[in-house]
Amino acid sequence: AQSVAQPEDQVNVAEGNPLTVKCTYSVSGNPYLFWYVQYPNRGLQFLLKYITGDNLVKGSYGFEAEFNKSQTSFHLKKPSALVSDSALYFCAVSPPPDSGGSNYKLTFGKGTLLTVNP
Amino acid sequence: NAGVMQNPRHLVRRRGQEARLRCSPMKGHSHVYWYRQLPEEGLKFMVYLQKENIIDESGMPKERFSAEFPKEGPSILRIQQVVRGDSAAYFCASSIQGSIVSPLHFGNGTRLTVT
Repeated sequence: AQSVAQPEDQVNVAEGNPLTVKCTYSVSGNPYLFWYVQYPNRGLQFLLKYITGDNLVKGSYGFEAEFNKSQTSFHLKKPSALVSDSALYFCAVSPPPDSGGSNYKLTFGKGTLLTVNP
Repeated sequence: NAGVMQNPRHLVRRRGQEARLRCSPMKGHSHVYWYRQLPEEGLKFMVYLQKENIIDESGMPKERFSAEFPKEGPSILRIQQVVRGDSAAYFCASSIQGSIVSPLHFGNGTRLTVT
């Protein structure tokens, strides 16, 4: 069974500093990996995904994530945080089609609350 | 271009009543997914539907829960005889393709409170 772990419930950074939100995963075969962001009382918004290719994936709003197969990680990063980045961030994983899993079905982590202080 | 529309935003039901949650996918999307978010947890997959077909309902409780996506109209998630444990945020998502390579677009959710 696939799973996702977000080891930090909360991350606090000062505006202008780099931010990292951690994610590790467990899945058979090569994973599809995703980051979504949720603002208060809103649905999740897609940020970026890793399917194949370059390990560094660039997404919306200046975010990027690095796929590290040996460490089974997919940490979300941004060089310079903004106060408006404050939100709940979810990492998600899906098995690829050739693994026999249901590749349309995402497994989400519990989320990390990012607070960027002015 | 309207996104995924869910209504109502908030729904309060007493134990034993029925809850009906509606979801209109994005224009051009024929694949709909329902997820449930319990307090302080990530989203959990419930069911995947295409027009008039349930593709995968493996995440949906066998009792009291049902979902449909008729040829015309929104997708409906129906919870009969609600209990307190059903209190959660229910999110609908849609995509162009059934493969997860096509990103999911989520609605703002329906927050169900069972009293």
